[in-house]
Amino acid sequence: KAGVTQTPRYLIKTRGQQVTLSCSPISGHRSVSWYQQTPGQGLQFLFEYFSETQRNKGNFPGRFSGRQFSNSRSEMNVSTLELGDSALYLCASSLDQGGYDEQYFGPGTRLTVT
Amino acid sequence: AQSVTQLGSHVSVSEGALVLLRCNYSSSVPPYLFWYVQYPNQGLQLLLKYTTGATLVKGINGFEAEFKKSETSFHLTKPSAHMSDAAEYFCAVSDSFDAGNMLTFGGGTRLMVKP
Repeated sequence: KAGVTQTPRYLIKTRGQQVTLSCSPISGHRSVSWYQQTPGQGLQFLFEYFSETQRNKGNFPGRFSGRQFSNSRSEMNVSTLELGDSALYLCASSLDQGGYDEQYFGPGTRLTVT
Repeated sequence: AQSVTQLGSHVSVSEGALVLLRCNYSSSVPPYLFWYVQYPNQGLQLLLKYTTGATLVKGINGFEAEFKKSETSFHLTKPSAHMSDAAEYFCAVSDSFDAGNMLTFGGGTRLMVKP
């Protein structure tokens, strides 16, 4: 079974631009979560989507948004990029059948803002 | 609010020596606890997890961890380090009563293994 895939793997953008990152979960997984990883702040939860609805949201500004499609694929968007948005963005998917379901992480998208 | 503290951002051991990576958590409800490993330029891979039941949890690659509620700890150990264990390790906690998946991570510990 294919793992979680994220595209693109690497991205360079300029301050003020916007960016869209994509995540394809493992087949059959219904929940997709996004995390930001930086050297200074570590791993921080951005948001989670389940059945096309945002279920949980971390403490990030409104410039960070996401969505989930009917096939469970998810995208996250960052508008008006700032230098501090440079990070590795990780996506994780899980079955979410009730109770605890293991999260499987993708390889991440490394975003560099110049 | 939950939080996770990993003591020691860098740990160095010799090959064949005991690996001990420390993790303490705070949670107002029974927690789910996890250890993840991250190799360079890769995502996170689950090593082991504690949800309910036995407090000594065995994971992949010879790692294990013990949930100690009285000490609010979930330290990761491996009896004998291998060069391939060099990586960054993250302890994480999830709220067992919360709907959904939201992990709170510790700051990570980079494990270096000397030959």
